Amino acid sequence: GAVVSQHPSWVICKSGTSVKIECRSLDFQATTMFWYRQFPKQSLMLMATSNEGSKATYEQGVEKDKFLINHASLTLSTLTVTSAHPEDSSFYICSAVGISGANVLTFGAGSRLTVL
Amino acid sequence: QKEVEQDPGPLSVPEGAIVSLNCTYSNSAFQYFMWYRQYSRKGPELLMYTYSSGNKEDGRFTAQVDKSSKYISLFIRDSQPSDSATYLCAMTVEYGNKLVFGAGTILRVKS
Repeated sequence: GAVVSQHPSWVICKSGTSVKIECRSLDFQATTMFWYRQFPKQSLMLMATSNEGSKATYEQGVEKDKFLINHASLTLSTLTVTSAHPEDSSFYICSAVGISGANVLTFGAGSRLTVL
Repeated sequence: QKEVEQDPGPLSVPEGAIVSLNCTYSNSAFQYFMWYRQYSRKGPELLMYTYSSGNKEDGRFTAQVDKSSKYISLFIRDSQPSDSATYLCAMTVEYGNKLVFGAGTILRVKS
């Protein structure tokens, strides 16, 4: 149990375009989802906390107008990178927390974004 | 000073060795402590999860938490080449709250 799916796993886009990444909890309801970003050989950096039905809480230094997060249901959160630039190229990972029980802090497999 | 300190390594050991991975932290409010394993280009996989102080064992893995010293450890017995990965410690104040990660330690187990 406690599976989190991310899609797409890898995406290449042109500079200036927008890219949407989906994070789904497959077998549990996630009240909270977290979005992280990871650069090569570095640890995960929290970007934002997403609660179902409310606005996301962004970490300091993360542009909320650039990284749009929507958590419309208990099983789906999306991250949209708007007007992407090469410096946005990174590995984006989501994690989800279940309503209760042992579904604690399960991570998705990550989405690798390359902006040309 | 970072909230969570972890030596990035790399740590290189021969197959069969006992591996010791460690993290120190500064926030005494942390109550939940996790160890994740991350293979290259993959998301982190939860290995061990401990609440408060104490030891927890699962197969070849043992997690220790010493809250008085603000120090956590992960021991891997009989290490295998397949254990080669980056090991991340993480901790949080409350269940469901955001995690604070260490930098991750790269482990290489040589056959």
